[in-house]
Amino acid sequence: DVKVTQSSRYLVKRTGEKVFLECVQDMDHENMFWYRQDPGLGLRLIYFSYDVKMKEKGDIPEGYSVSREKKERFSLILESASTNQTSMYLCASSLYWQRGNEQFFGPGTRLTVL
Amino acid sequence: GESVGLHLPTLSVQEGDNSIINCAYSNSASDYFIWYKQESGKGPQFIIDIRSNMDKRQGQRVTVLLNKTVKHLSLQIAATQPGDSAVYFCAEPWMDSSYKLIFGSGTRLLVRP
Repeated sequence: DVKVTQSSRYLVKRTGEKVFLECVQDMDHENMFWYRQDPGLGLRLIYFSYDVKMKEKGDIPEGYSVSREKKERFSLILESASTNQTSMYLCASSLYWQRGNEQFFGPGTRLTVL
Repeated sequence: GESVGLHLPTLSVQEGDNSIINCAYSNSASDYFIWYKQESGKGPQFIIDIRSNMDKRQGQRVTVLLNKTVKHLSLQIAATQPGDSAVYFCAEPWMDSSYKLIFGSGTRLLVRP
């Protein structure tokens, strides 16, 4: 079974702090994704990576950056956390070659910015 | 658990009854659809998918129906159990990318004992 793990289940940070959210998948998937999930808004794509060192912006990239130095690891970075970035963050991965392929999700990180 | 889906439509069913969750999609050219289930405190999990060349696909206790004429998907759960209580999302590929998915806002299913 595919396993997608996220470094923390819960994080509390202060406004202005730099925040790193880590995601690791163990099935050699090429694609990796970062979403945020907010009540009433569903899942919104922040960034997407289809290969090592490659990235694409999603719906809401402002205030975020990402890093993909190794195939299995995709990091989401909040350079200067703000209270409106309080949210549930979900990482996902999928195979490159299959159109419309299923995404496998991690358990999520609940980030609170005070 | 997290406060996912405070404003979600909610379907409440009696244990043992069948559940039908609906989803309208926007892109008539979409050729692939997925249903996800998200339990409290967990990430979404794949339930079943369907390609646009099919009208119906069945899994274990679940059936997905696709009506391309009215751009509508439904997820039917037979003999609903307490463990089925969750938020259910449909998803379709982005128009400009095969690999990215657009998720619906979700429906919360509550199973009454």
